[in-house]
Amino acid sequence: DIQMTQFPSTLSASVGDRVTITCRASQSISGWLAWYQQKPGKAPKLLIYEASNLESGVPSRFSGSGSGTDFTLTISSLQPDDFATYYCQQYNSYSLTFGGGTKVEIK
Amino acid sequence: EVQLLESGGGLIQPGGSLRLSCAASGFTFSSYTMNWVRQAPGKGLEWVSAISAGGGSTHYADSVKGRFTISRDDSKNTLHLQMNSLRAEDTALYYCAKDVPTWGSAFDIWGRGTMVTVSS
Repeated sequence: DIQMTQFPSTLSASVGDRVTITCRASQSISGWLAWYQQKPGKAPKLLIYEASNLESGVPSRFSGSGSGTDFTLTISSLQPDDFATYYCQQYNSYSLTFGGGTKVEIK
Repeated sequence: EVQLLESGGGLIQPGGSLRLSCAASGFTFSSYTMNWVRQAPGKGLEWVSAISAGGGSTHYADSVKGRFTISRDDSKNTLHLQMNSLRAEDTALYYCAKDVPTWGSAFDIWGRGTMVTVSS
């Protein structure tokens, strides 16, 4: 199975900060990577698919980049609604796998 | 409105069986690969199983292979997960999730989840 390593596991930031989360695959997954946001008690929400495609309705401050094994999710200017946990997920091959998550906390 | 609604969770003893269901509405259910994803309390997300549109292809995580069976009833817009030989480590919130319309298994629609607790 492809292992997905996400870092940092926790990130403390302030409103207005630029935030970057990294996800690394144990082997090449081309561009088959998604990013999700999850808030406590809620289902995950798709933000980005195919590494860099913004899901409909997601604010443009979210962006994704990367290919092969290294990927990033960037929030250009952190907003109060963005404090949450973020997960990457590869869908290059079954078994589908998620990263361990990055919790974005208020500094 | 596009919606997924899971049901069937509960408290079950180790070794027992449970059948989860997911009722879909607001989209053409039969056209999409559907998935089950679980989340143990306080933990991350774990993909469990997938079934292709039409049901001809199924996939399972190693952790559930041979114990869980995914199926779908397109006439009722319903996804199922039959869970047998349940273990304590299967305790989790189980979500059903729909594949994106473009190629590949990113999940654009999620249900609210149904909780499964395996304990004596």
